[in-house]
Amino acid sequence: EAQVTQNPRYLITVTGKKLTVTCSQNMNHEYMSWYRQDPGLGLRQIYYSMNVEVTDKGDVPEGYKVSRKEKRNFPLILESPSPNQTSLYFCASSILGTSFPYEQYFGPGTRLTVT
Amino acid sequence: AQKITQTQPGMFVQEKEAVTLDCTYDTSDPSYGLFWYKQPSSGEMIFLIYQGSYDQQNATEGRYSLNFQKARKSANLVISASQLGDSAMYFCAMREGGYGNKLVFGAGTILRVKS
Repeated sequence: EAQVTQNPRYLITVTGKKLTVTCSQNMNHEYMSWYRQDPGLGLRQIYYSMNVEVTDKGDVPEGYKVSRKEKRNFPLILESPSPNQTSLYFCASSILGTSFPYEQYFGPGTRLTVT
Repeated sequence: AQKITQTQPGMFVQEKEAVTLDCTYDTSDPSYGLFWYKQPSSGEMIFLIYQGSYDQQNATEGRYSLNFQKARKSANLVISASQLGDSAMYFCAMREGGYGNKLVFGAGTILRVKS
């Protein structure tokens, strides 16, 4: 089954304790992306990757890191989480191209709470 | 500048009736795509329908149709014969042309279907 998986699904942590949210896709997609969802703001892109070892900032990258060492995996790293990073996080993947529509497949989401 | 605007924070509709969720967008790129996603209370993002800027006809997918008015820059989602299972958050999103798959989302509209 084609899917994007994220782990953990729920996480409560404390300020400053480093954490990693994993994302994996089994569709051989080149493009992967992280979004955060906040009430009244919709989803905003944090980081994206167009291929292995190619990553770039999205609209809200501060406080986050990513890596893309393998095509299927795109972990999101919070080196020193703060309460303003409490949010619902989504990983997404798709084929990369210049034509449409190239639907993005979303993971199930990770609900993070930083106290 | 807000690229996607959803002006209805919440909507109610009677079961079996039709409902229109509004979405306006802003772009100077002649090539773009518009997407609608559904997010039930369980949190996952479900792709509903897509409309390309060059598509001559409005997109339809089962009970979902997209009322695309290019000159007015609007891409409203119409759900016919509403069902209780349609109760969810609905997001409008846009991808602009070029090499990259970034989606820009609106703030969302919560739809509640009444029995």
